[in-house]
Amino acid sequence: SQQGEEDPQALSIQEGENATMNCSYKTSINNLQWYRQNSGRGLVHLILIRSNEREKHSGRLRVTLDTSKKSSSLLITASRAADTASYFCATDPNSGNTPLVFGKGTRLSVIA
Amino acid sequence: DTEVTQTPKHLVMGMTNKKSLKCEQHMGHRAMYWYKQKAKKPPELMFVYSYEKLSINESVPSRFSPECPNSSLLNLHLHALQPEDSALYLCASSPLGAFGNSPLHFGNGTRLTVT
Repeated sequence: SQQGEEDPQALSIQEGENATMNCSYKTSINNLQWYRQNSGRGLVHLILIRSNEREKHSGRLRVTLDTSKKSSSLLITASRAADTASYFCATDPNSGNTPLVFGKGTRLSVIA
Repeated sequence: DTEVTQTPKHLVMGMTNKKSLKCEQHMGHRAMYWYKQKAKKPPELMFVYSYEKLSINESVPSRFSPECPNSSLLNLHLHALQPEDSALYLCASSPLGAFGNSPLHFGNGTRLTVT
């Protein structure tokens, strides 16, 4: 069963604007990961945030995690056309040897 | 370019054919995964090998048969598939045993069409 739910399902913005995607999940986690997938390609890991962390940065990416609300957000600042992709959150459940659970994803379109 | 290599990139097969998908990584990762992804959907886990042993089979039909000949290679043998099995098949690896709290490294997938 899928635990992560992203919103919005689709997002269209102009180049240079910021893009924010949200992810909600249901059970306690060890960590939460964000992945990007360009059309017809594999997923690329972007950032991992552990359950005891609240915020993490990587270049133009900023991820927050609120374990009390069971939610995370991914912010892409100063977006570029090359950021056009699907973005998935994935949770590592805190329940033994359990697989990563991927959310449904957000399809981001950045218009030049 | 990804460090996980999948071949072929595209495959068209009939419902009576037998074919195999191949995946290779040379990063020394000890866990390898097969995922199936339909259009506009997230990847769905099929199988996990950890230290060359099958550790997870997500109730996948027997027409899909995984094989891990060694720690660098992962195969998915296909037989008597159905048109609904058409999808992007993704291989992934991770450094530690299955789900050892580390990110997955994905290949670019095999686009499978069953006619």
